[in-house]
Amino acid sequence: QKEVEQNSGPLSVPEGAIASLNCTYSDRVSQSFFWYRQYSGKSPELIMSIYSNGDKEDGRFTAQLNKASQYVSLLIRDSQPSDSATYLCAVKSVGNEKLTFGTGTRLTIIP
Amino acid sequence: DTEVTQTPKHLVMGMTNKKSLKCEQHMGHRAMYWYKQKAKKPPELMFVYSYEKLSINESVPSRFSPECPNSSLLNLHLHALQPEDSALYLCASSHVGLAGGHTYNEQFFGPGTRLTVL
Repeated sequence: QKEVEQNSGPLSVPEGAIASLNCTYSDRVSQSFFWYRQYSGKSPELIMSIYSNGDKEDGRFTAQLNKASQYVSLLIRDSQPSDSATYLCAVKSVGNEKLTFGTGTRLTIIP
Repeated sequence: DTEVTQTPKHLVMGMTNKKSLKCEQHMGHRAMYWYKQKAKKPPELMFVYSYEKLSINESVPSRFSPECPNSSLLNLHLHALQPEDSALYLCASSHVGLAGGHTYNEQFFGPGTRLTVL
């Protein structure tokens, strides 16, 4: 059973601070890793993808991947109230079109 | 065009009705997906089409019938649904295949259809 685990939260972070979201996965052949943001009542929006070990930065977002530890994280710098949403971690294995989602972490940015 | 569109946005149907959900993308993607999402749960994969052929059916009940008329369109035909089928139905699309040793498979979601079965 391939699993992707996230802390369901809620995670509360003061405005302007760094929000840190974590995800672990069980399938060692996983190759592609994604973070989606989902506002209440809306569809998931892809915000980051990462394929290699290390950090990948895009604006206020940084994704970190450690394949040896089977761990992927998302850092949000200078958190804004508009970042309040559920963040879904998703993992894909080679040769498989299926994404496996974690249960999501609900993030609340406190003004 | 980097958008996946879905119609209708909302649908209310009775258990004896037949209806269809529609999805369209013009990103040149050759993989298209149907997901079902219940409140406070992650999206749950239903079907995958790759090059207009059904490649994954996650043991979905036959009252849900997918169709991929061409590389840009994806339909989900609904018949004799149950109240527990009420959910947000999401369409997504992506590229297929390997590039440089990696599989670039970023999936982009449409806005979804909110389905209520009475």
